[in-house]
Amino acid sequence: GAGVSQSPSNKVTEKGKDVELRCDPISGHTALYWYRQSLGQGLEFLIYFQGNSAPDKSGLPSDRFSAERTGGSVSTLTIQRTQQEDSAVYLCACFSGRGDEQFFGPGTRLTVL
Amino acid sequence: AQTVTQSQPEMSVQEAETVTLSCTYDTSESDYYLFWYKQPPSRQMILVIRQEAYKQQNATENRFSVNFQKAAKSFSLKISDSQLGDAAMYFCACRRGGSNYKLTFGKGTLLTVNP
Repeated sequence: GAGVSQSPSNKVTEKGKDVELRCDPISGHTALYWYRQSLGQGLEFLIYFQGNSAPDKSGLPSDRFSAERTGGSVSTLTIQRTQQEDSAVYLCACFSGRGDEQFFGPGTRLTVL
Repeated sequence: AQTVTQSQPEMSVQEAETVTLSCTYDTSESDYYLFWYKQPPSRQMILVIRQEAYKQQNATENRFSVNFQKAAKSFSLKISDSQLGDAAMYFCACRRGGSNYKLTFGKGTLLTVNP
């Protein structure tokens, strides 16, 4: 597609359940970033992929959070045993390596009840 | 580590008027870049303007311009001739030089444009 897509758009889950959030970046964009936007906060960096490798995982808040990227394309962010504080919008961005602009997806709004 | 501070949680402006959004940052890096992003209700982050720290000249993109004060670590955004479509959340962001382009964001300023 022409832009970054994320699915699902919204996800409501119960505390303790696992969730998977998906990001489809722009074709050919080798760098991929996950950010979290909590209510009233700015975006918080979670993890950076270059190809399928994650050289920077410094933003993952706990070991309940993990992410992978396959084929240098689709990425999945997994949150295990979700907690209410995980409720946020999770945004994905990609970068081609040229210029300086990251292209963002529309995000997934996660609500943990 | 870098920090970005936006001291104005909300701002409002009359259509066709000018508004300035404030941002200060802190970084120990000598090579860094600054950005303003717009986030409308659709949640899609849109790059508004960028500034390389090594450039003294302030960046301009049509009705959007910045006032970059490097010594004061200030990076404000001026929107001229405000339009209804400018209403959105605006985020100031910073990244250091190098191959990792991760961004550090402020908490945002919600801009309302009154007709």
